Amino acid sequence: DVKTTQPPSMDCAEGRAANLPCNHSTISGNEYVYWYRQIHSQGPQYIIHGLKNNETNEMASLIITEDRKSSTLILPHATLRDTAVYYCIVSPTGNQFYFGTGTSLTVIP
Amino acid sequence: NAGVMQNPRHLVRRRGQEARLRCSPMKGHSHVYWYRQLPEEGLKFMVYLQKENIIDESGMPKERFSAEFPKEGPSILRIQQVVRGDSAAYFCASSPLGLDYEQYFGPGTRLTVT
Repeated sequence: DVKTTQPPSMDCAEGRAANLPCNHSTISGNEYVYWYRQIHSQGPQYIIHGLKNNETNEMASLIITEDRKSSTLILPHATLRDTAVYYCIVSPTGNQFYFGTGTSLTVIP
Repeated sequence: NAGVMQNPRHLVRRRGQEARLRCSPMKGHSHVYWYRQLPEEGLKFMVYLQKENIIDESGMPKERFSAEFPKEGPSILRIQQVVRGDSAAYFCASSPLGLDYEQYFGPGTRLTVT
């Protein structure tokens, strides 16, 4: 089952940082946090994942709290093309990805 | 390096017919996952396969649905005797190794049952 909680929707001004929160209070010690996004009706796109440490790649940064019960995906300079549904997923060891309903991010010009 | 390919992209079937959805994973990937997305909902896991093996099918409906990933050729998701409730987008994903690695998704097959 889904093990994460995300706000259903958020707005962000173009050019500003978009900070998308996710709660995963029941996460186990060996479970990773993954972020994907789905633009319109396309296939989900991998963004980033992490275990304990903060991670950064060319798309985004992932900040995981020390107790690992929550995380934040940061898109540093949001563009209109970042408008999408963003999914935070906790990967249960030995099991599959469960997608919830995610956060619908709208980037406003 | 081609991504995950799915075909057909759109499929229309009448109630009672069979639907076959194909997925070719990325080159070098031997793990395939199928997901279903109903309108206005998130993706729901259906099945996880490796070459010639079904690893986890806990998300598959018990009847009418089956999946395979043969040694040669694409993975196939088969739906027999389709009903209107099967209308959805079906996504395939692949990964180079197993779980706890990122999955790369295809563009999906939109199935419409009339």
